[in-house]
Amino acid sequence: AQRVTQPEKLLSVFKGAPVELKCNYSYSGSPELFWYVQYSRQRLQLLLRHISRESIKGFTADLNKGETSFHLKKPFAQEEDSAMYYCALIDRGSTLGRLYFGRGTQLTVWP
Amino acid sequence: KAGVTQTPRYLIKTRGQQVTLSCSPISGHRSVSWYQQTPGQGLQFLFEYFSETQRNKGNFPGRFSGRQFSNSRSEMNVSTLELGDSALYLCASSLGTGGKETQYFGPGTRLLVL
Repeated sequence: AQRVTQPEKLLSVFKGAPVELKCNYSYSGSPELFWYVQYSRQRLQLLLRHISRESIKGFTADLNKGETSFHLKKPFAQEEDSAMYYCALIDRGSTLGRLYFGRGTQLTVWP
Repeated sequence: KAGVTQTPRYLIKTRGQQVTLSCSPISGHRSVSWYQQTPGQGLQFLFEYFSETQRNKGNFPGRFSGRQFSNSRSEMNVSTLELGDSALYLCASSLGTGGKETQYFGPGTRLLVL
């Protein structure tokens, strides 16, 4: 069963425009949600996780349990934000460390 | 601290061969997980090791195996390689195991099976 869905494979915006990358999840346990980012030729790295409630590089994400969503937002996109973004889920209550990933959204920010 | 390292970075094999990939976790991290990344299937969980024990296994055939050593370094092995095994294999480490931990990824080993 698909636990994490990222409906947009590709997303393009212009520099300075707001950007929202969508993530929906389906999980009956206690999900902890993450956003990972992969810049060109770099490793997959953690951008933010729901429980820490941080804003990293201007990005924020709010967990909406009613809509089972964890959309990633930034009010003013920058060219350096161009990358592949993955939404991921883990069972917070589990003793096992298995991440479930969405298929990813390739974000392109045009100058 | 040095990040997660994986060797080799690139590998070319032929069908039927076997391959061993290595992962060195961040110092002090005791959990290592492996993921397969392909254009068709995305990122899929292979297995997780903690304290030299396999804690969890994904839905992959028995040709995929792994182990963890006492220094937390991990290896994964794929026997009787198939064309479909061509992928980027990612290793991730975390301090402990479970949903409260953050996983940090290595650069990956890109395997091409001809």
